[in-house]
Amino acid sequence: DAKTTQPPSMDCAEGRAANLPCNHSTISGNEYVYWYRQIHSQGPQYIIHGLKNNETNEMASLIITEDRKSSTLILPHATLRDTAVYYCIVRVVGLGNQGGKLIFGQGTELSVKP
Amino acid sequence: DVKVTQSSRYLVKRTGEKVFLECVQDMDHENMFWYRQDPGLGLRLIYFSYDVKMKEKGDIPEGYSVSREKKERFSLILESASTNQTSMYLCASSLRHTQETQYFGPGTRLLVL
Repeated sequence: DAKTTQPPSMDCAEGRAANLPCNHSTISGNEYVYWYRQIHSQGPQYIIHGLKNNETNEMASLIITEDRKSSTLILPHATLRDTAVYYCIVRVVGLGNQGGKLIFGQGTELSVKP
Repeated sequence: DVKVTQSSRYLVKRTGEKVFLECVQDMDHENMFWYRQDPGLGLRLIYFSYDVKMKEKGDIPEGYSVSREKKERFSLILESASTNQTSMYLCASSLRHTQETQYFGPGTRLLVL
């Protein structure tokens, strides 16, 4: 799996958009970008994933650059409950029984402030 | 909504005890996973299962075993608990062909004294 690089921490004002960057310059053509988050003392939560097109769901938007070397997770209107560690993971999808383990790096600790 | 539940949020056991951690999911997922999470080490996969009675070792299976007798339930067993097994244990489940989209339980924080 390609390596990802994220800033260790970020702040965001409540109600503003939170833009969380991720670099994955060694990503290969069949690797997807996944985002998870982990709120303190809870299990990780799946947010969104994409291959090359931008994606949006009820939680967030994912913008992937045209060369796919980086991506940005956007929380359009951050709330205090969005305070969490956000993980960007790059994975080949559908490896069958070769293992579904997710490798979480250090992630970005997002603090949403009132 | 997918729901993954774990039998305990907090557990305190003594060295040498046999410990059972239970995980149940209600979305008919084929895949289930057990991870442990430690500061500075991230999540590490202990075991996973692709079907009933099926199990595969993850990265750190030593000192653990698992059981999957029913599709919705995946148990992690610490045969003889040791202090280095003090950790946060996380269970997850997924559909067979979208195993990267995993749904996690709330975690069990285990302290072995």
